[in-house]
Amino acid sequence: SQTIHQWPATLVQPVGSPLSLECTVEGTSNPNLYWYRQAAGRGLQLLFYSVGIGQISSEVPQNLSASRPQDRQFILSSKKLLLSDSGFYLCAWHGLGNSPLHFGNGTRLTVT
Amino acid sequence: GNSVTQMEGPVTLSEEAFLTINCTYTATGYPSLFWYVQYPGEGLQLLLKATKADDKGSNKGFEATYRKETTSFHLEKGSVQVSDSAVYFCALSEFTGGGNKLTFGTGTQLKVEL
Repeated sequence: SQTIHQWPATLVQPVGSPLSLECTVEGTSNPNLYWYRQAAGRGLQLLFYSVGIGQISSEVPQNLSASRPQDRQFILSSKKLLLSDSGFYLCAWHGLGNSPLHFGNGTRLTVT
Repeated sequence: GNSVTQMEGPVTLSEEAFLTINCTYTATGYPSLFWYVQYPGEGLQLLLKATKADDKGSNKGFEATYRKETTSFHLEKGSVQVSDSAVYFCALSEFTGGGNKLTFGTGTQLKVEL
């Protein structure tokens, strides 16, 4: 069966520090991968998606970037965190066609 | 563009009460519709889905019917339990060459009390 892993589960980082969140999917190949952010009291915002290795699409301009170095690995990064980057970050994947998204357990990031 | 509108929460109910969470959508094509549930501190889990008009999705006692004429996908459950307390998200997707991007509503928090 397919599983998705995100880590770390929680993270507290100072303003100006770098960020790297990792997401991996097991049990499938060539998944579509997504990063969402959920700010406190708000809905989910799509940040990045990827349909293949090295292919990244950004939905909104921001202080973050994403990379997909391997088929089932999706990384969210920042060179210098801002206070506004605090939130709950969710990785998701889906397989062929119009299949549902499956989410990881999320990373709660607090920038202090 | 696509959008999803959900009723604002929190919704507070007594155990065994009837639940309705309203969801309406705007889409240019023929989207699939979903309800996701998020328990405290966790990621989102797919609760149910419907892929075409008049389809009814159901799971764990929850139901929602894809109504194209009213562009709605309201979530219902006949008798809620304390364990149903969570945030519920309505979402739509349209699959394009760029992937299956979901558009979410803002979420509705449900609190069920004894």
